[in-house]
Amino acid sequence: EPEVTQTPSHQVTQMGQEVILRCVPISNHLYFYWYRQILGQKVEFLVSFYNNEISEKSEIFDDQFSVERPDGSNFTLKIRSTKLEDSAMYFCASSEGRKDGYTFGSGTRLTVV
Amino acid sequence: GEDVEQSLFLSVREGDSSVINCTYTDSSSTYLYWYKQEPGAGLQLLTYIFSNMDMKQDQRLTVLLNKKDKHLSLRIADTQTGDSAIYFCAERGGYQKVTFGTGTKLQVIP
Repeated sequence: EPEVTQTPSHQVTQMGQEVILRCVPISNHLYFYWYRQILGQKVEFLVSFYNNEISEKSEIFDDQFSVERPDGSNFTLKIRSTKLEDSAMYFCASSEGRKDGYTFGSGTRLTVV
Repeated sequence: GEDVEQSLFLSVREGDSSVINCTYTDSSSTYLYWYKQEPGAGLQLLTYIFSNMDMKQDQRLTVLLNKKDKHLSLRIADTQTGDSAIYFCAERGGYQKVTFGTGTKLQVIP
């Protein structure tokens, strides 16, 4: 069964550093998403991406964050100048159509120290 | 904004039925989903229901939707120890964004 692949599975970074979280969505999917889950809290929407541009973003997704689809397969989330409160599990997801259910990756656990 | 609420914990005996409940506030919800999260894993889509349906059955899973009360439930028949996980209710309104509930941790006692 097709999978969404995320790398790395765990990233530890120092406060103030930049991190890039990588995702390979399912190949025939057109919509891509990033969500995060702070330990013990809700799964929160960050951003959706379609046709090489951001189609929707949440209040969390401020100038510190950016997304990119640098080639035909990867979808990345960049977090500039990380803060302690950015520590969370970051999930990438993709869907074939706008209303289809998402397929999630297994997540990247980001720890900012 | 949209909000989705669930009870945090449910414990059942193996072989019994589990019913996980969810309420949501977005009256424009078009699709409602149930996701399963096992420890250390991502979110797995279990099933979904379109907002003009009342019920959907898929093997051991039955989804009931009361659109008037904005109440969604997931029934798992003959619950097994492998069903132990966190179950998330989620809804999609008119946009692409899906709003998730807090998750219900299901513990199945052998």
